[in-house]
Amino acid sequence: DGGITQSPKYLFRKEGQNVTLSCEQNLNHDAMYWYRQDPGQGLRLIYYSQIVNDFQKGDIAEGYSVSREKKESFPLTVTSAQKNPTAFYLCASSIGDRAYEQYFGPGTRLTVT
Amino acid sequence: RKEVEQDPGPFNVPEGATVAFNCTYSNSASQSFFWYRQDCRKEPKLLMSVYSSGNEDGRFTAQLNRASQYISLLIRDSKLSDSATYLCVVIYQGGSEKLVFGKGTKLTVNP
Repeated sequence: DGGITQSPKYLFRKEGQNVTLSCEQNLNHDAMYWYRQDPGQGLRLIYYSQIVNDFQKGDIAEGYSVSREKKESFPLTVTSAQKNPTAFYLCASSIGDRAYEQYFGPGTRLTVT
Repeated sequence: RKEVEQDPGPFNVPEGATVAFNCTYSNSASQSFFWYRQDCRKEPKLLMSVYSSGNEDGRFTAQLNRASQYISLLIRDSKLSDSATYLCVVIYQGGSEKLVFGKGTKLTVNP
């Protein structure tokens, strides 16, 4: 079965710690994205990557970092510089020229206390 | 003014009812429009595209009004399984094809 996996589903961290969220896809999609969703808010784009070894900042990149060393993988690191890290994080992917049709992973709920 | 605005609801309707959601967008350079559906605590999934001429997919009809900068989603004969949050999505022409999501409209269909 093709799809996008994110792990873990729930993650708890202490303030001041960096944490890396995993995102893997076997859809052979070129583009991958990270979004953050807060209660009562729309999805906000953190970072996106249209090709291996290249990525661009989205609307709220501060306090986050990414890498795209492999086509299948796009991990997101939430650093201690992110002021409000508790949120629902969604990873998505799409065929390169069909960005409108994004396939989302099940998400990771990160709680930082 | 926010880029994409939706009435957050919630909309509570009985089974079989017809319900309509609107979404307005602020950037006239917007090129493409879509509706996504998100079930509670799940990931969003593409529901349908919105074409200038309007389009229908079963009980769902999407309309675009470029002059007034809004799109709509009509659900006829609503089912319990239609209960979800419906996200309006806009893409701006600009090379990156970045999706801009509305906050969503929550629908609950009651028996």
